[in-house]
This record gives sequence, structure tokens and C-alpha cells, in this order.
Amino acid sequence: GQQVMQIPQYQHVQEGEDFTTYCNSSTTLSNIQWYKQRPGGHPVFLIQLVKSGEVKKQKRLTFQFGEAKKNSSLHITATQTTDVGTYFCAPTRDYGGSQGNLIFGKGTKLSVKP
Amino acid sequence: DAMVIQNPRYQVTQFGKPVTLSCSQTLNHNVMYWYQQKSSQAPKLLFHYYDKDFNNEADTPDNFQSRRPNTSFCFLDIRSPGLGDAAMYLCATSRLAGVTYEQYFGPGTRLTVT
Repeated sequence: GQQVMQIPQYQHVQEGEDFTTYCNSSTTLSNIQWYKQRPGGHPVFLIQLVKSGEVKKQKRLTFQFGEAKKNSSLHITATQTTDVGTYFCAPTRDYGGSQGNLIFGKGTKLSVKP
Repeated sequence: DAMVIQNPRYQVTQFGKPVTLSCSQTLNHNVMYWYQQKSSQAPKLLFHYYDKDFNNEADTPDNFQSRRPNTSFCFLDIRSPGLGDAAMYLCATSRLAGVTYEQYFGPGTRLTVT
């Protein structure tokens, strides 16, 4: 079935360092969403990318969708302790009858040392 | 504020004793989802409703059932919980509007099976 690989699984950074998580698919994706889940919390939508080569920014967060629409990345500049959590990429499943269903990557758990 | 509400937040049940988890939404969204999330894993879709249309994931055990009596409410019934069913159960909603399928998650119900 349709799958995505997300790396790394864990990332420990010093506060102020940058962080990047990558999401890779063997098939072309129609779109991809990113979610953040704080420890003990629930996933919260961050962004959706639809267009080939799309780049979107939210303050210190930069999201990219590859030209071939097979990979995506989330980059955080100058991490803060508030960035702690697990970041999931979630492409939309691309077959009829399940429109809108997401396939969650395994997530990257970010910890930030003050 | 419009939101997704899950009750109870914590549920303890005995092995084999039926349990029902509930979800309500004030977003008036067409689609409601139930996910199972085990510790340090990604959310796993169990099933979803598009209005009254029920869609089961192929690998969702028969032990899990769902009801959606109206737009606002959705229930997850676990007929005979096993120890392996202990997890966080997340309800989510989305509004199918163009290509935007952002999902709004409730806070989850943590199920313990004794």
C-alpha cells in the first residue's frame, strides 16, 4: 500500500540550533500535510502543500514540497523549547473512495535542550 | 469556540468488557474519523464517516464498531477489549472543501484495559 518514510525518528538539539525532518515517498503525492503533536497532546495541523516545488513559511518554520512531489521537508530555524513534540508528515491517500484520508508518517520526535 | 470534544478523557475497562467512546463536534464538518494511537507511534486510521457513509479500513478488527447518529456525534464501540487495545483513541473531523482536507483532532481518550 501507499507508504511514506519519515526521517530521522528522533532528533535532540540544543536550543538555538536548526532542525529538519524529511518525508519521502516512492510514489507521486497529490498533496501533503504536516502536523505537530506536543507530548501528551493531540495532532495539530500546521500546513498543507499542494504544488510542485512549493515552499511555505510560518515564522521559524519552512515547509517544502519537492519538484517531483515525492518528498517534503520541515525545517525549523533556531529551535526553542516550545518546538518540542513529534512532527508528522501526512500525505493524502490517492485512491478513490477514501478521499481526504491521511497516511501518517512515523513522525520525528524533537527534543530541545535549553 | 468551535471544537472537537471527546469523552471521557480517560477510560479504564476490563478485559472483554464492552466500552464506548464518544466524540462530538461543533464544526459542522461532514467527515469524522477515528484513529488509534499507541505509544510513540503514528495515528492509525480505524474508520471514517462521510456524512452517514461508513468507511472501514481493511485492517480494522471486527471488534471495533462505530456509530454516527447525527452530524455532531460519533461513537467508537469496542465489543471485547483485549490488552492490545490499550491506546489513545483520537477523533478527528474535516470539511471536504476543494483540496483542503485539514483535520481537526479532539484531545483523545486514553483507554486502559485491565
